[in-house]
Formats: sequence, structure tokens, C-alpha cells
Amino acid sequence: NAGVMQNPRHLVRRRGQEARLRCSPMKGHSHVYWYRQLPEEGLKFMVYLQKENIIDESGMPKERFSAEFPKEGPSILRIQQVVRGDSAAYFCASSTLADYNEQFFGPGTRLTVL
Amino acid sequence: KQEVTQIPAALSVPEGENLVLNCSFTDSAIYNLQWFRQDPGKGLTSLLLIQSSQREQTSGRLNASLDKSSGRSTLYIAASQPGDSATYLCANSGNTGKLIFGQGTTLQVKP
Repeated sequence: NAGVMQNPRHLVRRRGQEARLRCSPMKGHSHVYWYRQLPEEGLKFMVYLQKENIIDESGMPKERFSAEFPKEGPSILRIQQVVRGDSAAYFCASSTLADYNEQFFGPGTRLTVL
Repeated sequence: KQEVTQIPAALSVPEGENLVLNCSFTDSAIYNLQWFRQDPGKGLTSLLLIQSSQREQTSGRLNASLDKSSGRSTLYIAASQPGDSATYLCANSGNTGKLIFGQGTTLQVKP
């Protein structure tokens, strides 16, 4: 059973470009969470999705950021018109909501904005 | 608003020592508490999850306890090894699912 998969592992973008980060949850998991780790800061929650639904987006910046988890395919975190302050490690986690919602994390995508 | 604090921020110990990492939280209405390990440049590995109704969990040389009334959790590492060197994160969740993380304790175990 493969773990949570994220790609790309490293992404370099120039200011103003778009970044698309992908997350494939563990098999059998239908709940996906995105977290961001800024340099020298802790992990912060961004958004919680189930298939085709956004459950909690209280941690998402109001502009330029969006997330989806379609019926088929991976969850996508999309950042439009990236700025240098978006440089961070973005982690995806998945769970089943059973087992007291233990979350399993992917290896992360490290975004660098030039 | 839930806040999670970890003390100390960094810890250096000689190999073989037993050690305790501390985690405190402000809101006792938690659903579970998870301890994670993060190696430099890597993702998070789940170590232990304590349900809100439980007091402790054990896995190998690791033991985590939870005291909701005082808003504290501890991670005990027995007979530390150089391979235990990493950053240890605690996180709790309410029933909404999202995890609130502490800043982490960076552990160095010297051979």
C-alpha cells in the first residue's frame, strides 16, 4: 500500500507564474489536508477536502490560492501569480476519519519562487 | 483559539540517555493528539496517536502521555540513539480534523 504521494517534489517558479501541486492520498483515504511550512516557521493548516467538497478552507490565503479534490485523480493545490513569500514546503496528508483521524503525510513539495 | 507550545525548542543529549519532550495546548477540547518526527528536508512520520479518551500510547522505545485537564502531552524516548536525531512535532485536532502544530523540538543525540 503506497503512502501519500506528492509531486513534484521540488518546483521552481518565477514571480507571476502559476504553481500546481499534486497529492494522491493513501489507498482507501477520502480525506485530504494541505499544510504549509514557511522557512523557520511551524506547519500551518491550509485546507481540508473530501472528494468533490471543500470542508474547511479557514487557513487558505484569500487570494491566489485554490484547492480541489475531484472525483477522479489527485488533489490539486493551485497558486496563481506566485510571489517570493509563497516559497515554502507544502505538505499533503490523508486520512479515513476512522482510527480517530490519524493523518499520514506525504514527502512534501518544496516551492521556490525566484 | 487552540495554541500548541513545545518546550524545549532544541535539545542535545549523549547517546543512551532517556529524555522527555513536552507539548502543551490551550484548549482541552481535543479529539486526538499526534506526535510526529520530521527529518531535515523530509516529510512527517507519524509516531504515536493518543485518542482523547486515552492516557498514553507506547511504541517500542517511545511512550506518549496525554493529560487533557492540564493541557499537556509528553513524549518519552528511552535509551536514545543517534538515529533519533530529528525534529519532533506534536499536533492536536478538534473534531473538524485539522491539525494544530507546535513549533517542534529539534533533538540531537550525540554518539
